[in-house]
Amino acid sequence: AQTVTQSQPEMSVQEAETVTLSCTYDTSESDYYLFWYKQPPSRQMILVIRQEAYKQQNATENRFSVNFQKAAKSFSLKISDSQLGDAAMYFCAFVDSNYQLIWGAGTKLIIKP
Amino acid sequence: DVKVTQSSRYLVKRTGEKVFLECVQDMDHENMFWYRQDPGLGLRLIYFSYDVKMKEKGDIPEGYSVSREKKERFSLILESASTNQTSMYLCASRSRRNSMNTEAFFGQGTRLTVV
Repeated sequence: AQTVTQSQPEMSVQEAETVTLSCTYDTSESDYYLFWYKQPPSRQMILVIRQEAYKQQNATENRFSVNFQKAAKSFSLKISDSQLGDAAMYFCAFVDSNYQLIWGAGTKLIIKP
Repeated sequence: DVKVTQSSRYLVKRTGEKVFLECVQDMDHENMFWYRQDPGLGLRLIYFSYDVKMKEKGDIPEGYSVSREKKERFSLILESASTNQTSMYLCASRSRRNSMNTEAFFGQGTRLTVV
């Protein structure tokens, strides 16, 4: 079975600093997509960034970037210049060959002013 | 903007009641999903639907049923609510079944408490 593991239930970072959230996954497939979603306290989940397994270049969206290590099955999210609005639950997700999203347990990110 | 709207943000129901959670999306998405979110467990798929009147079981369908009579609306039904169904319920929609990279859009969630 394919699984997604987020080993950090909670992380905290000082405002304006950089934080990295970890995610590992397990699959035997060669082509797949990985996603990071953000769920702010208002609860509406939104997409932060996505990465295709065949692309070697790490995806970047403004202050958000990923470190995708395919061989290690690792997909971490780096948030640079952390802002108070980044406080949220962050979920890593994997799309399998059945086109279903498989979710990690989530990491709660706290931003310290 | 894509909108996925859930009918209630908070619900309190009594054990044994039949509960309906409604979800509507306005972007003509084929796929719709119901998840349950519990602390430390992430999102667990209850049911999903690829088309009108089509439904498939997810990972935890026991105690739930769904209805999709119109493309834009996907309802989750708790036939006889129990206290272990107290949870956050999230509805999502997604375009195109056979595409791995499409984004899922979520509703704001319904916090259901069964007493």
